[in-house]
Amino acid sequence: ILNVEQSPQSLHVQEGDSTNFTCSFPSSNFYALHWYRWETAKSPEALFVMTLNGDEKKKGRISATLNTKEGYSYLYIKGSQPEDSATYLCAFVTASKLTFGTGTRLQVTL
Amino acid sequence: DAMVIQNPRYQVTQFGKPVTLSCSQTLNHNVMYWYQQKSSQAPKLLFHYYDKDFNNEADTPDNFQSRRPNTSFCFLDIRSPGLGDAAMYLCATSRDRGPAAGETQYFGPGTRLLVL
Repeated sequence: ILNVEQSPQSLHVQEGDSTNFTCSFPSSNFYALHWYRWETAKSPEALFVMTLNGDEKKKGRISATLNTKEGYSYLYIKGSQPEDSATYLCAFVTASKLTFGTGTRLQVTL
Repeated sequence: DAMVIQNPRYQVTQFGKPVTLSCSQTLNHNVMYWYQQKSSQAPKLLFHYYDKDFNNEADTPDNFQSRRPNTSFCFLDIRSPGLGDAAMYLCATSRDRGPAAGETQYFGPGTRLLVL
């Protein structure tokens, strides 16, 4: 059974705080890692597709890093805003399919 | 805007009464996926279509079936829903069956199924 783990399960921060969370995955047979953001009542939306060890990707205030040798990826949000409130899912790619983690639920309050 | 549409957003069915969930896409993607997400769990792939080629996951119960009559539409049929089938059902598409190369999947908003 493939294990993709995300921590923490949930996170509550105040507007303006920077935050980060972790996705752990098997370090062998790596193809790619996806990050998705899922706001309540909306569709999960792709943030990043990461393929190379040492990859660092950025989209506005959100960035992600990848370490395939040790099997983890970090997602960072700088200066959190209420609109960042969502569940952040990572997904490990294997055999042409995605295996998801359970997500980190982020709540940003004023 | 090109998108993935799921109807209905909420579906209530009775124990044992067949139910069909719908997904359509305007992206003209070759691959369509169905995921099941139970409360506090990770989304779990049930099956996918690569064009007309159906690919079932080994642990998907026989109670779950799917149809893809054309490129745009895909249906999830639950023949005899049990209480344990209550979940969020997500449909997704990708241009090709190549997540190994980094193909993004595009998701619909999901259908939340309640079984009474």
